[in-house]
Amino acid sequence: QVTLRESGPALVKPTQTLTLTCTFSGFSLSTSGMCVSWIRQPPGKALEWLALIDWDDDKYYSTSLKTRLTISKDTSKNQVVLTMTNMDPVDTATYYCARTNYDILTGYFHFDYWGQGTLVTVSS
Amino acid sequence: SSELTQDPAVSVALGQTVRITCQGDSLRSYYASWYQQKPGQAPVLVIYGKNNRPSGIPDRFSGSSSGNTASLTITGAQAEDEADYYCNSRDSSGNHRVVFGGGTKLTVL
Repeated sequence: QVTLRESGPALVKPTQTLTLTCTFSGFSLSTSGMCVSWIRQPPGKALEWLALIDWDDDKYYSTSLKTRLTISKDTSKNQVVLTMTNMDPVDTATYYCARTNYDILTGYFHFDYWGQGTLVTVSS
Repeated sequence: SSELTQDPAVSVALGQTVRITCQGDSLRSYYASWYQQKPGQAPVLVIYGKNNRPSGIPDRFSGSSSGNTASLTITGAQAEDEADYYCNSRDSSGNHRVVFGGGTKLTVL
């Protein structure tokens, strides 16, 4: 059974750095084609992909946010960590981590399992 | 702005068929995936690849693609299908980056 769970602060102040942890079970991030992504959703708005880390420890970031994001993994702990610097009220959102399947032949990604999400509010 | 374009809202009568579309240049090269999201819940994958349904997704959901447009079709829409639907794919540059559409709110009348 695949599960993912996000954890981190519910409230951060503007300019602070946000650190979120995704703890997963039921799969290995060492398996070829396996990845974990972070995706966020501001209240009432659409999903926005943030970052992805793959089985080979390659990392990919949203073009618009790449200067603020760092993704890393601890395979032994089954965890993926996302940090986002210089938080702003517009970053208020529910942050999801999702297992991401990469088809090496077609270059195609899809998100087959999601955590329940964690709401992060940015306010002084 | 999203590189994948979806109609903001679509409605369908109970039991009828509805098609939700997603347009973008990247869809000429990559499949789209489709996600259903109900209020207060995480998204759920409903279609991936050429036209694959994860276990537990009813067979009234199907996917197709033509040119730069991907479509999610619900044949015989049920009240429980009322939700937001999002498409996603690779970005059009071919980098390992992902884009989502802006979402379509489906209302079942």
